[in-house]
Amino acid sequence: DVKVTQSSRYLVKRTGEKVFLECVQDMDHENMFWYRQDPGLGLRLIYFSYDVKMKEKGDIPEGYSVSREKKERFSLILESASTNQTSMYLCASTSGQGGFGGYTFGSGTRLTVV
Amino acid sequence: GENVEQHPSTLSVQEGDSAVIKCTYSDSASNYFPWYKQELGKRPQLIIDIRSNVGEKKDQRIAVTLNKTAKHFSLHITETQPEDSAVYFCAASIKGWGTYKYIFGTGTRLKVLA
Repeated sequence: DVKVTQSSRYLVKRTGEKVFLECVQDMDHENMFWYRQDPGLGLRLIYFSYDVKMKEKGDIPEGYSVSREKKERFSLILESASTNQTSMYLCASTSGQGGFGGYTFGSGTRLTVV
Repeated sequence: GENVEQHPSTLSVQEGDSAVIKCTYSDSASNYFPWYKQELGKRPQLIIDIRSNVGEKKDQRIAVTLNKTAKHFSLHITETQPEDSAVYFCAASIKGWGTYKYIFGTGTRLKVLA
């Protein structure tokens, strides 16, 4: 079974803090993604990566950056956390040749910025 | 930009009845359409998917239909059971830089009333 593990289930951070969300997958997938999930808005893509050190902006990258130094690990960074970044953050991965096969999601990190 | 519209946002059905969730996508190049089920407090799980060269796919009580001309696809759940209660997301694949990414609908909260 593919496993996508997010390091924290719940996080509470203060406004202005630098926040790191970590995601690790164990199936040698090339492609990894960060989404945020908000009620009524569905899942919105923040950043994705198709290879080590490669990263592409999704639909809502403002206020975020990412790092992929190793194939299995994809980190989301909130440079200076703000209250409007309070959300559920979901990491996903796929071998996804041609876009087929679907994602495997992590359990999510619920971030609260106070 | 690319988007996926999903309706309805909430759906209540009596146990044993059928449920239908509809999605419309904007990118005519989309060729893969997965559906995810997310139970309360859990990660989204892939339940069924369809490729653009197929009009219909069935797996026990769930089925997905695709109308490429109209850019519509739908999820059908027959003989609903209380354990079908969850949030359902549709998605469409979009060719991104280096890989494919999924654009998600805003979700449908299905309640099956016993």
